Amino acid sequence: EVHLVETGGGLIQPGGSLRLSCAASGFTVSNYYMSWVRQAPGKGLEWVSLMHNLGGTYYSDSVKGRFTISRDSSKNTLVLHMNGLRAEDTAIYFCARHHGDHGSWFDSWGQGTLVTVSS
Amino acid sequence: SYVLTQPPSVSVAPGQTARITCGGSNIGTKSVHWSQQKPGQAPVVVIYYDIERPSGIPKRFSGSNSGDTATLTISRVEAGDEADYYCQVWDSTSDHLIFGGGTKLTV
Repeated sequence: EVHLVETGGGLIQPGGSLRLSCAASGFTVSNYYMSWVRQAPGKGLEWVSLMHNLGGTYYSDSVKGRFTISRDSSKNTLVLHMNGLRAEDTAIYFCARHHGDHGSWFDSWGQGTLVTVSS
Repeated sequence: SYVLTQPPSVSVAPGQTARITCGGSNIGTKSVHWSQQKPGQAPVVVIYYDIERPSGIPKRFSGSNSGDTATLTISRVEAGDEADYYCQVWDSTSDHLIFGGGTKLTV
């Protein structure tokens, strides 16, 4: 059974850094397109970043240059390094697996981890 | 960048048909996916590749996509269909994944 578990969220001051992890089970992360999607409190879904099976990466304009997506194959984990955090980055961060390539739908989601950026 | 426009809310009575639209320039040339999100839960896909329905999703859910509008149609709406619905596409011009702003369906 496919399972995704995000960890690493918490309260962080503006300008700070945080590392989110998404531990996968039931499949191999490096064989799939994987994305991070966030949802600010009471708001809609916002795509953050994608890594495809060959290691290529894509970022939304709002996080490009501040966030880095990567994966740890030894731990079968997707990672999001977040630097220069701003209040507007406050959100629940979900990792999600694409069924196929970047144009495909998400067939599995984690439960999310909350990041709060505040002084 | 590419923008998807959804109505903020749609309200229907039980047993009626709900239609949720997703507007975008020439969206008919893109593949559209629809997700349902209930409070406190992660989203779940209800329609993919414009018209396809995943196993476990009732046949009451259907999709269409043409011109500048994609539509999610829910027939014989039930109280359990009350949720937020999001359309999603990949924009190959910007290499960005785009979500619509979401539509709150009230039954």
